[in-house]
Amino acid sequence: RKEVEQDPGPFNVPEGATVAFNCTYSNSASQSFFWYRQDCRKEPKLLMSVYSSGNEDGRFTAQLNRASQYISLLIRDSKLSDSATYLCVVNGPGGGADGLTFGKGTHLIIQP
Amino acid sequence: DAMVIQNPRYQVTQFGKPVTLSCSQTLNHNVMYWYQQKSSQAPKLLFHYYDKDFNNEADTPDNFQSRRPNTSFCFLDIRSPGLGDAAMYLCATSREGGWTYNEQFFGPGTRLTVL
Repeated sequence: RKEVEQDPGPFNVPEGATVAFNCTYSNSASQSFFWYRQDCRKEPKLLMSVYSSGNEDGRFTAQLNRASQYISLLIRDSKLSDSATYLCVVNGPGGGADGLTFGKGTHLIIQP
Repeated sequence: DAMVIQNPRYQVTQFGKPVTLSCSQTLNHNVMYWYQQKSSQAPKLLFHYYDKDFNNEADTPDNFQSRRPNTSFCFLDIRSPGLGDAAMYLCATSREGGWTYNEQFFGPGTRLTVL
């Protein structure tokens, strides 16, 4: 099983719709979880951290399910500008800065 | 503005000709990372420095080396680039302490072409 897995998509979603995608991770000892956004040929940028209790930032909601070892990202009222690749990041067995693993990303296309 | 800077943005080298990519940061972060990202793939961590301590990923080829002469600068040396080393190289920094992992700030990347 790969350490961090994501559905690569693409997810084609009409503007204004709600979209959700998951990321599964294999290391049950992982402590830190993040969603990064990467635009085409640009560097990744932090979208949001994922906390155990779940967290919301405007139209974005992230949740962590430790029992099933996945994190999710929900985008409500999607905008054309949300089109990007969303990368799941999980820290590895060493914890802290060790063994950071990125998923391959989920490609999202918001259509007008 | 505090930031992570990478130079050059585009680098063309010949097969087997050593190349050095540079990264500098004004964030005063103690951890610096180098990632390799190929088209449609996830960024792959090559190594990172926690202060002066070098941490190499197990599957990073010996062809890749790194130097961190001070807090602000970090270099990636590719001793003998092969065609398979053509990729985007991303530098990132973070402020770490203990177990927790904090947000990484990425530079714009250096796109390496090997002829």
